[in-house]
Amino acid sequence: RKEVEQDPGPFNVPEGATVAFNCTYSNSASQSFFWYRQDCRKEPKLLMSVYSSGNEDGRFTAQLNRASQYISLLIRDSKLSDSATYLCVVIGGQAGTALIFGKGTTLSVSS
Amino acid sequence: GAGVSQSPRYKVAKRGQDVALRCDPISGHVSLFWYQQALGQGPEFLTYFQNEAQLDKSGLPSDRFFAERPEGSVSTLKIQRTQQEDSAVYLCASSTTGYEQYFGPGTRLTVT
Repeated sequence: RKEVEQDPGPFNVPEGATVAFNCTYSNSASQSFFWYRQDCRKEPKLLMSVYSSGNEDGRFTAQLNRASQYISLLIRDSKLSDSATYLCVVIGGQAGTALIFGKGTTLSVSS
Repeated sequence: GAGVSQSPRYKVAKRGQDVALRCDPISGHVSLFWYQQALGQGPEFLTYFQNEAQLDKSGLPSDRFFAERPEGSVSTLKIQRTQQEDSAVYLCASSTTGYEQYFGPGTRLTVT
């Protein structure tokens, strides 16, 4: 079983739609969680960290459920520019510093 | 300021050749990471340096993969006797002491 699992999609939505991505992780000892965004043929970039209490950054809301080992990302009022792959990330590795990525969920927003 | 840079951006190697991929981290960043990203997959962790010390190499897939960072800045990832399954984008990332890692543009390796 992979450490981080995501539905790969693709999710095809119209502009203005609300879309939600989910992710599960296997290591119950994991302490830090993130969403990264990766545009086609580009490097991943940090979108937002995920906190236990949930956090919001503009149109983006991230939630963490430690009991279910489940992370979510909600995007409201989707824009064309939101089209990308969204990577769920957990901190891991022997030194506790490696980013452990899911396979990514592809979002395509159309006009 | 300058971000993470990697060279070459593209590399084609014949099966069995050795390759060396270079990473220049953001100046002053203590931590440096290498990841491998196969087509359609998320990046997979290879190895981690703190300054010149390689503290985690648990992700290196075989002993054909070797990484170094001798002076605590530039790093080189070397792959010996390349195989077709080594074809991927190799991403380098650096960070200070926090968890945000800044990625370079990657080196796309194709083994023919």
